[in-house]
Amino acid sequence: GESVGLHLPTLSVQEGDNSIINCAYSNSASDYFIWYKQESGKGPQFIIDIRSNMDKRQGQRVTVLLNKTVKHLSLQIAATQPGDSAVYFCAENIEGNQFYFGTGTSLTVIP
Amino acid sequence: DAEITQSPRHKITETGRQVTLACHQTWNHNNMFWYRQDLGHGLRLIHYSYGVHDTNKGEVSDGYSVSRSNTEDLPLTLESAASSQTSVYFCASSELLAGKDTQYFGPGTRLTVL
Repeated sequence: GESVGLHLPTLSVQEGDNSIINCAYSNSASDYFIWYKQESGKGPQFIIDIRSNMDKRQGQRVTVLLNKTVKHLSLQIAATQPGDSAVYFCAENIEGNQFYFGTGTSLTVIP
Repeated sequence: DAEITQSPRHKITETGRQVTLACHQTWNHNNMFWYRQDLGHGLRLIHYSYGVHDTNKGEVSDGYSVSRSNTEDLPLTLESAASSQTSVYFCASSELLAGKDTQYFGPGTRLTVL
C-alpha cells in the first residue's frame, strides 16, 4: 500500500470487484485526512474525508477506514468500474490548512 | 458553477526567464495554495495565502514568489526559471480560515524549463 513519501504502487482489479487502497501516515497528531482521485492529465479530485474522531465514513460506493492505533487509512471502492482507473492518494492534515500528500496508488480496472 | 482555473495549461520556457502561472477561483475562498507534483513525490507545497495581502512560504518555496491582491487570484512567479523547476504545478483553494477543510484543485500547468 501507499505511504506518504514512497513511490507509486499499483493495483489491478477486475470490473465489478471491490478495491482496497491503503495509506500509512506518519504523524500520530494528524487529525484530518482526505482521499483524492487523480486521472491522467487532470487535477486531484476530492473523494471523501474523515476526521480522527471517526473510524469509518461512507460515501457513494466508497468507504474510508481509519485505524489510529497503527496510523493506517484505507479507501474501499465497491463494484469497481473502468471509470475508477486513476491514481489515488491520501493527504494528512497536521495543522492549519497544510497537508502532507502521499505519492499515490495507481488503480487499473480490467474490463 | 464555481471553479478554479489555471493558465497556461502548458508552458515551455528557457533557463533564466521569468515565468508567471495564473490561478483564478470563483468560490470566494479565503485560502489558496500552490503545489508542484513530481514523480516519486507527493504534492509539495510551494506557497500559500490565507487572504488578501497574506502570503506564506511552503516546503519548497526557493525560487518562487506569490502575491495576493484580491480574493480570486494567486499568481505564481518563477523569478529565474531553472531546469529543476520543470514540473506540473497545481493551484488549490479552500474555504475555512481556521478549520481543517478540503482543498479543491485546478487542472494543473505543465511547465518545462529548457
